[in-house]
Amino acid sequence: DAGVIQSPRHEVTEMGQEVTLRCKPISGHNSLFWYRQTMMRGLELLIYFNNNVPIDDSGMPEDRFSAKMPNASFSTLKIQPSEPRDSAVYFCASSLGPRQGGGNQPQHFGDGTRLSIL
Amino acid sequence: GQSLEQPSEVTAVEGAIVQINCTYQTSGFYGLSWYQQHDGGAPTFLSYNALDGLEETGRFSSFLSRSDSYGYLLLQELQMKDSASYFCAGTAGNKLTFGGGTRVLVKP
Repeated sequence: DAGVIQSPRHEVTEMGQEVTLRCKPISGHNSLFWYRQTMMRGLELLIYFNNNVPIDDSGMPEDRFSAKMPNASFSTLKIQPSEPRDSAVYFCASSLGPRQGGGNQPQHFGDGTRLSIL
Repeated sequence: GQSLEQPSEVTAVEGAIVQINCTYQTSGFYGLSWYQQHDGGAPTFLSYNALDGLEETGRFSSFLSRSDSYGYLLLQELQMKDSASYFCAGTAGNKLTFGGGTRVLVKP
């Protein structure tokens, strides 16, 4: 079975440019998560969707970041304009919905997008 | 919100046992998960504890004590391929909050 698919795997761009990261979750999973990983801040949740609806975007750093999930098989994370401090590995993960009684299901991560803003 | 603390690094030899502790402060806590991440790779799920006690999965076991806000991951019969970072993550609702990660270095 195909796992979570992210594209591009690597992106190098200049400051001020728009960056769009893409994610295809595992078929049948109805929760999707965007994370950012840096040495300084570790693995941070940016936003998550349940049934294509954004549930919690409290981790989105600022208005330059936006995320959409137009359907169950596709999501984007956009940075506009990009800045050098946005350089990080961005992971998308998907899972089945929350467990009955609370708690979550195992999250399956994509291979990540390594973003460098010059 | 949640915060989780774990040691930054552990070194051990092949065949040894390593215990990675995780303490947490959290509201709305449902359970504790553990993920493994090799250098340059993606996090992969290892285990989840919703109830107090020990969960065993092969060479890896995970423990949770809600009264102590504490859990640990036990790696037994260490192999070179176990060299990786290990993250505890607290669950609140459908969200995970990750600890800073423990880098495990296995030496021959």
